Amino acid sequence: GAVVSQHPSRVICKSGTSVKIECRSLDFQATTMFWYRQFPKKSLMLMATSNEGSKATYEQGVEKDKFLINHASLTLSTLTVTSAHPEDSSFYICSAPIGWEQFFGPGTRLTVL
Amino acid sequence: AQSVTQLGSHVSVSEGALVLLRCNYSSSVPPYLFWYVQYPNQGLQLLLKYTSAATLVKGINGFEAEFKKSETSFHLTKPSAHMSDAAEYFCAVSDHTDSNYQLIWGAGTKLIIKP
Repeated sequence: GAVVSQHPSRVICKSGTSVKIECRSLDFQATTMFWYRQFPKKSLMLMATSNEGSKATYEQGVEKDKFLINHASLTLSTLTVTSAHPEDSSFYICSAPIGWEQFFGPGTRLTVL
Repeated sequence: AQSVTQLGSHVSVSEGALVLLRCNYSSSVPPYLFWYVQYPNQGLQLLLKYTSAATLVKGINGFEAEFKKSETSFHLTKPSAHMSDAAEYFCAVSDHTDSNYQLIWGAGTKLIIKP
């Protein structure tokens, strides 16, 4: 089956720093990727849709300047959490679709001290 | 608009007992429906999916789900629970008429297996 990877799997950073999370489709191309945030014991919240070659589409309430998304190629999307604060600590998951089926990355645990 | 309701944030069953996780949806178009499983600190793994073929869908790890249009339900079952089934389960519906195929998620149900 299709594989999506995320890097890093876990990151701890200081408040005020920026953190970049990579999402890669390893064996297929994806013009669209999705970024989710998952709070403890909660469901996934769609943050934005990453579009190769164009701007990302953000969901209502998600700060575009806070969560920078770049879909650099057909196999790579990055999410940069800028000027991170403790409230940004969360589990971030990406997915990439093949047709109507989405394939998920293993997630990135971000902890901001 | 589409929505998904999972009844019960926690379900506890004994090892060897029947597992039943409930999912109801609302959709203005024939839906595609999915069940995903998430183990602690991991991503999501597809258990099974319904895409307008057979209404009884068999998935991995012995799970199955039945699409019932009249009840707008897609409940997940397994005849005999195993300790390794303890995880969070999410039901999702896809608006496959949308070119982005976004998923609408249920709130999740944590399955607890008692020895």
